[in-house]
Amino acid sequence: AQSVTQLGSHVSVSEGALVLLRCNYSSSVPPYLFWYVQYPNQGLQLLLKYTTGATLVKGINGFEAEFKKSETSFHLTKPSAHMSDAAEYFCAVKGSGSARQLTFGSGTQLTVLP
Amino acid sequence: DTAVSQTPKYLVTQMGNDKSIKCEQNLGHDTMYWYKQDSKKFLKIMFSYNNKELIINETVPNRFSPKSPDKAHLNLHINSLELGDSAVYFCASSQDVQTAAGAFFGQGTRLTVV
Repeated sequence: AQSVTQLGSHVSVSEGALVLLRCNYSSSVPPYLFWYVQYPNQGLQLLLKYTTGATLVKGINGFEAEFKKSETSFHLTKPSAHMSDAAEYFCAVKGSGSARQLTFGSGTQLTVLP
Repeated sequence: DTAVSQTPKYLVTQMGNDKSIKCEQNLGHDTMYWYKQDSKKFLKIMFSYNNKELIINETVPNRFSPKSPDKAHLNLHINSLELGDSAVYFCASSQDVQTAAGAFFGQGTRLTVV
């Protein structure tokens, strides 16, 4: 079975500060890992994904994430937060089984303070 | 030109009623999903279809019945609605179940049972 743990249900940063959202996963096979963003009253939008190869992946809106197998982590970062980054962020894993469905973490609400 | 579209966006209904939510994707994907997002933003998969065949059926009351008339459509019918069914329901699609492709989500249907 696969699972995702997101540390911190709420994270607040000042505009221009570093954004760090934490994600740890559990999977019995090499996982595919994803970060999604959800703006209020909207669906989920894919930010970035890790499949194979380079462990540092870049996504949209200046976000990036690094896959660390030894730490079973896939933390999301952005060097400088913008007010428009305020949203709910979900980490997800697509792992084993005949049907590789996405399993989501519980989400992290990012607040950006002026 | 919406990739994954759901209707209706909002649905308010009384307990005991039967309602349907429709979903269509124009991405040519083989796999479609229904997710339920509860009041705490937790996302849980309900069903998945691949080429019109049910491949994932999580522990969901049998009052919920998905129907896929073709691989571009996956509708969700709910019988005898209960207060606890109130949630946001998301339809999603992905290229297939085995690849590293992420899922594209619809805008969600906010179901309120009164």
